[in-house]
Amino acid sequence: DGGITQSPKYLFRKEGQNVTLSCEQNLNHDAMYWYRQDPGQGLRLIYYSQIVNDFQKGDIAEGYSVSREKKESFPLTVTSAQKNPTAFYLCASKEGGRNYGYTFGSGTRLTVV
Amino acid sequence: ELKVEQNPLFLSMQEGKNYTIYCNYSTTSDRLYWYRQDPGKSLESLFVLLSNGAVKQEGRLMASLDTKARLSTLHITAAVHDLSATYFCAVDRMGTGTASKLTFGTGTRLQVTL
Repeated sequence: DGGITQSPKYLFRKEGQNVTLSCEQNLNHDAMYWYRQDPGQGLRLIYYSQIVNDFQKGDIAEGYSVSREKKESFPLTVTSAQKNPTAFYLCASKEGGRNYGYTFGSGTRLTVV
Repeated sequence: ELKVEQNPLFLSMQEGKNYTIYCNYSTTSDRLYWYRQDPGKSLESLFVLLSNGAVKQEGRLMASLDTKARLSTLHITAAVHDLSATYFCAVDRMGTGTASKLTFGTGTRLQVTL
């Protein structure tokens, strides 16, 4: 079955450490996205990518980095510059064209310890 | 900057009652999505509204879009406990290049009581 796989489901980070969240899709979708969700709030866009080797900053990109070396993969690195990284992170993908919907992964919950 | 506002933020309703969640947005768009989220889970797609006047219904939920008023509504008919969840609207707009991107509302937490 096609879908988006995020791993790990839970991740713990020590202060000052970089961590990488994985997002893989086998839907052959062109666009991929990373969103952050804080408790009781909506989702905010971190980065998005339309094609391989190209990505754009979203609304809250500071302290994060991404790469898009393969169409299927869009990993997110939470760097030590991100001062408050504890949140729920959701990856999404979308097929090209106006009328297609977004597919979301199951999420990674990151906690700073 | 696109702003998406939902109200109410929290809604407690009795089973069997009707209610409407409102989603207002600040700039032009003709594509709007509604999602449901259960605690600790990802988003479940409910409706995709692609044009002015679009109306979609699934079970006890009905969504509509008025692009001129920049308003979408999610109407709940005869609520049941299983509808308890958080509901988000999200407005789709073009980003840099050819990629579109979603801007989410703050969500409405719905609690259906007996």
